[in-house]
Amino acid sequence: GQQLNQSPQSMFIQEGEDVSMNCTSSSIFNTWLWYKQEPGEGPVLLIALYKAGELTSNGRLTAQFGITRKDSFLNISASIPSDVGIYFCAGQRGRTGANNLFFGTGTRLTVIP
Amino acid sequence: DAGVIQSPRHEVTEMGQEVTLRCKPISGHDYLFWYRQTMMRGLELLIYFNNNVPIDDSGMPEDRFSAKMPNASFSTLKIQPSEPRDSAVYFCASRSTGTGHEKLFFGSGTQLSVL
Repeated sequence: GQQLNQSPQSMFIQEGEDVSMNCTSSSIFNTWLWYKQEPGEGPVLLIALYKAGELTSNGRLTAQFGITRKDSFLNISASIPSDVGIYFCAGQRGRTGANNLFFGTGTRLTVIP
Repeated sequence: DAGVIQSPRHEVTEMGQEVTLRCKPISGHDYLFWYRQTMMRGLELLIYFNNNVPIDDSGMPEDRFSAKMPNASFSTLKIQPSEPRDSAVYFCASRSTGTGHEKLFFGSGTQLSVL
């Protein structure tokens, strides 16, 4: 299936630091989604991006839809301990239909108080 | 508002046994999805239903896996016989017609361990 590569695979940061992660694909997507998964829970949507170049914020989170439509970036500012979890990107080619949503490999974030 | 409800939360079984995972989607949602999550392969779509009808089961790994949705509020994923390589977290998710994946809600998952 479609491969979405996320980097880094894991991060250990001090509380208060900013975080950057990215997701790249060999194919073009029309929508990029970012999810967070906490231990023992399912993924929860953080941000959805619909247009190349779009920059969207949700509190301390900011995500961008890459101009090439083959990548996306997520930044977290002033990290706090509750930011720990696994962050997944997902790419979608259309607006509906399930079999065109592809998930990245995840970035595991650990925040050290 | 209840979210997607999955049971059991954890399942430990022996190789060769039958395993049944259960899911109750959000009321009013007419799409239901089953995903499998492993360290090696990440999140993979196994099968999805629309209005209780299976639409795409191309992600189902093999004939040992089967899924049903007898009504709008219940779905099962069955593995028979189970094998150690089936060990994973299985997620159910649901959404409504006309909404994109930004309205997709996941359950808390079933952690399956096959010994």
